[in-house]
Amino acid sequence: EAQVTQNPRYLITVTGKKLTVTCSQNMNHEYMSWYRQDPGLGLRQIYYSMNVEVTDKGDVPEGYKVSRKEKRNFPLILESPSPNQTSLYFCASSLYREGNSPLHFGNGTRLTVT
Amino acid sequence: SQKIEQNSEALNIQEGKTATLTCNYTNYSPAYLQWYRQDPGRGPVFLLLIRENEKEKRKERLKVTFDTTLKQSLFHITASQPADSATYLCAPLSASKIIFGSGTRLSIRP
Repeated sequence: EAQVTQNPRYLITVTGKKLTVTCSQNMNHEYMSWYRQDPGLGLRQIYYSMNVEVTDKGDVPEGYKVSRKEKRNFPLILESPSPNQTSLYFCASSLYREGNSPLHFGNGTRLTVT
Repeated sequence: SQKIEQNSEALNIQEGKTATLTCNYTNYSPAYLQWYRQDPGRGPVFLLLIRENEKEKRKERLKVTFDTTLKQSLFHITASQPADSATYLCAPLSASKIIFGSGTRLSIRP
């Protein structure tokens, strides 16, 4: 089954403790992206990747890192999480970046930073 | 700055009626516009895409219009059912940027 898989689904951590949220897709998609979703603010892009070893900042990249060493994986790293990073995070992929290529989303990771 | 507005945070419709959701955008000219459905606690799911040179697109009970003069897209669900209850997101797209609206929560009552 074609899918985007994120882990974990839920994560509670403390300020400053490094964490990684994994994302994997099995559709051989070139484009992958991370979003955070907050009430009233919609989906905001954190980072995206056009292909292996090619990553770039989205609208809200501060406090996050990503890497794209393999085509299928695009982990999101929070080196020193803070409470304002408490949010619902989604990984998404599409065949290409162009606007006629629909995004496939994972089921989300709900992160709480205390 | 680029901005997207979706009509009212919530819309309540009687089963069987047509639901109409509005998406207005300002300060850019998207070449494509996508609509997604999102259920609570789940990721958005792609529904339809319409290009700037298309006035209307249909898929089963769904219809999308795209008016580049008004900078507006309308999303219609005909013969609505309780199972259509969800949040619907519009995403006008340009070649370099995907921007999502904050969504309209649709509730279909039996």
